[in-house]
Amino acid sequence: GAGVSQSPRYKVAKRGQDVALRCDPISGHVSLFWYQQALGQGPEFLTYFQNEAQLDKSGLPSDRFFAERPEGSVSTLKIQRTQQEDSAVYLCASRDGRITDTQYFGPGTRLTVL
Amino acid sequence: GESVGLHLPTLSVQEGDNSIINCAYSNSASDYFIWYKQESGKGPQFIIDIRSNMDKRQGQRVTVLLNKTVKHLSLQIAATQPGDSAVYFCAENRRPGANSKLTFGKGITLSVRP
Repeated sequence: GAGVSQSPRYKVAKRGQDVALRCDPISGHVSLFWYQQALGQGPEFLTYFQNEAQLDKSGLPSDRFFAERPEGSVSTLKIQRTQQEDSAVYLCASRDGRITDTQYFGPGTRLTVL
Repeated sequence: GESVGLHLPTLSVQEGDNSIINCAYSNSASDYFIWYKQESGKGPQFIIDIRSNMDKRQGQRVTVLLNKTVKHLSLQIAATQPGDSAVYFCAENRRPGANSKLTFGKGITLSVRP
């Protein structure tokens, strides 16, 4: 079946612009996670949804970062007034949440802020 | 603070040999561990997982060993192939209530020599 998809795959933004990154999880997966991966590092947790509820946003680095999942499926990560330090790969993962604990990752969106 | 980390940044092996990738974790409360493989430009790909009530789990050409006494996790790859070349991450999943974010190590690069 289809895996996790993310769009766009690449995004270049000028400093100060707002960006929106989209995640389509595996159909039926209850849990959705966003991670940020800096070059040469492991992914770091940003936020977690169970259905439409955002249960943990402790990893969001600032109030410029906002995530939503209004209908419990597709999720959007928005970054306002982007800064150069926001440049990274943003990964989305989904998890069944009922049968297995495995998180399946999408290909990521590489964000470059100039 | 608590962390999941890898002992070596790179590992070079001859094609056909067995590979062993090691990982240390420090949170004794962790009860679920996962190995991911990440190829350049792609998201992390699930390899194998293990729960804290197990010591060993085998998959296709891969084995994960968990030593809770010394908080050590290892991934063994049998008959390593060129397609195994990638960055490997261990990750831990703590499950207090609904918070099930993954904490990743920094990653180790596996390079397979032909």
